[in-house]
Amino acid sequence: NAGVTQTPKFRVLKTGQSMTLLCAQDMNHEYMYWYRQDPGMGLRLIHYSVGEGTTAKGEVPDGYNVSRLKKQNFLLGLESAAPSQTSVYFCASSYPTSGTDTQYFGPGTRLTVL
Amino acid sequence: AQSVTQLGSHVSVSEGALVLLRCNYSSSVPPYLFWYVQYPNQGLQLLLKYTSAATLVKGINGFEAEFKKSETSFHLTKPSAHMSDAAEYFCAVRTDYKLSFGAGTTVTVRA
Repeated sequence: NAGVTQTPKFRVLKTGQSMTLLCAQDMNHEYMYWYRQDPGMGLRLIHYSVGEGTTAKGEVPDGYNVSRLKKQNFLLGLESAAPSQTSVYFCASSYPTSGTDTQYFGPGTRLTVL
Repeated sequence: AQSVTQLGSHVSVSEGALVLLRCNYSSSVPPYLFWYVQYPNQGLQLLLKYTSAATLVKGINGFEAEFKKSETSFHLTKPSAHMSDAAEYFCAVRTDYKLSFGAGTTVTVRA
């Protein structure tokens, strides 16, 4: 099992450019999440999905879009990148139970917007 | 909304000394609480989780945490620090299948 993988690992964008981050999981998990990590702020939820074809906004959704066309993949898109989106992005997945399910995290994507 | 507060953004301990990381939560219902660890340039890994089965929770790598409802706390401890414990630690509370994280505490271990 590869677990949760993220592509790419690093990316540098210019302001206004677009890109898509790919998250893939091979654990047959229903739920998937996108977080951003900024110094001193912990992880903040951007968007999440509770199943194939469904998405929902998290704490900081502005400037991002997501899609979950296949159960194993969760894509995060930036349509017009801004320097404020410079961050480390983490994807996670989980199988929902009674609230004690564990979220499994990918290795992260480090994005710099110039 | 449920939230967690981690007291102290940086903790420095000597090798062999006690590690104590503080986490307080706010919740109107019994919470599900988690501690995650992040090693440099890696993703987050679950250390332990509180599921209301027992107030003292044992995790991986010798860590444990005690849930104290009266103090709304879920502090993480390890009796004897090892150099490999140098990492960032996050406390989190779960609401509706979503996690809310604290700001994190970076642990430095001195030889």
